[in-house]
Formats: sequence, structure tokens, C-alpha cells
Amino acid sequence: QSVLTQPPSVSAAPGQKVTISCSGSSSNIGDNYVSWYQQFPGTAPKLLIDDDNQRPSGVPARFSASKSGASATLAITGLQTGDEADYYCATWDNNLSAGVFGTGTKVTVL
Amino acid sequence: QVQLLQSGSELKKPGASVKVSCKTSGYVFTSYGISWVRQARGQGLEWLGWISTFNDKTKFSQKFQGRVTMTTDTSTAYLVLKRLTSNDTATYFCARAGSSSWRAASCDHWGQGTLVAVSP
Repeated sequence: QSVLTQPPSVSAAPGQKVTISCSGSSSNIGDNYVSWYQQFPGTAPKLLIDDDNQRPSGVPARFSASKSGASATLAITGLQTGDEADYYCATWDNNLSAGVFGTGTKVTVL
Repeated sequence: QVQLLQSGSELKKPGASVKVSCKTSGYVFTSYGISWVRQARGQGLEWLGWISTFNDKTKFSQKFQGRVTMTTDTSTAYLVLKRLTSNDTATYFCARAGSSSWRAASCDHWGQGTLVAVSP
């Protein structure tokens, strides 16, 4: 089981906002940068957020992220049907000396 | 443009080894590390390990210690997983990661994935 915990699923209507939490500890999120990934079925993950809250070029501003202590949050505003995907947080864990991914969250647009 | 092109699907028997390649292009290979991540069907992402393309330093998930090898050659990275079981059936991804191990989970470009199936 992963050391980073995410809700299995979140949902909202088009145009609304969803947030996805990623709960960790002082040895991972609390001391290292968090990345967020978006993955559609059958495809490779795509980097959505890097360094806690930085959007790579081409990622819409509807996607934002924050971090507080040992938890991180991804927010998607103005939800679109094309946002239906799985989302993962990831970071480094100092105790494990390893990279770790969150359990993943499926976003459904109602 | 940055590209990571992985080798094709593999079908292996239990106990065998598999070698997956990841040929990169479009950037200075030694300026970034390579992480390997796998995903079983319907499951989440699992980090296997990271290799520095600068000095071949590696970091592995404890789960795979002793069973995994990661190497590089020019602009290609390789993953070898030994003593395969059915639990290793998954799609394996390579990804361009940070140049330091603590940036191993920061992956900005990914390969297309290689399906490794383990069956008697």
C-alpha cells in the first residue's frame, strides 16, 4: 500500500470545482516537492503540476495545487468532461529513500 | 522534441527475466535521470527505481531490491527485472526525471509503456 493517501474518487458537474487531497508524512510531502499527474485510460501519465504548485507549459490555469505540512491538494476549476481521468500525487520519501505515488483518484464529471 | 521510445511487449514465463529499453532523444541525456514506473491493469502507479544518467547511481524501491537492474548506454536506458512472477504482469513506463534522486518522482516526459505479461 502507498504511503500517500488519496480519495478513490471525486465528482462534480461541468463548470464546478473539485479538489483532490494527498496525505503523507513529514518524511515525504512534508520535506519534498510534490508532483501531480493526470492519466487517461491506456495512456502514459502526464505531468500536471511540479514543485508543489508549478504548472508546466501548456497546462491550463484551471489546474492548481497547494501544500501544507504533510498534505497536498490539487484543484480543478471550471471542470470539463475532458478532465475525466485518474490523478496521482507523487514525491520522494526520505525514510524509504524512494519515490512514492499516491493511491490515485478518479475524477468523474457528472 | 523530447521523446522516450520503449521496446515492445514481452511475454515471459515465471522465473524468467525481462529487459525493457527506453531510447531517448531531443535532449541532453546526461542532464536528467530516468525513473521506471509500472502499472498493473486497473491499478495505480508504482515506482520501481531511478538511475542517474550522469554517473549510473541508482535508487530502487525496497520491494524490488535484488531483483531489478537499471543501466544506461548513450541515450538509452534499460530495465531488467529478474525472477518474474504473475504479479509482475504490468505496463512498465520509463520517464525523464530529475537529475538528483530526490527528484525521481518529478517526471516531465514519459515513454509509451511496455506491456510485460508473465504466464506459464
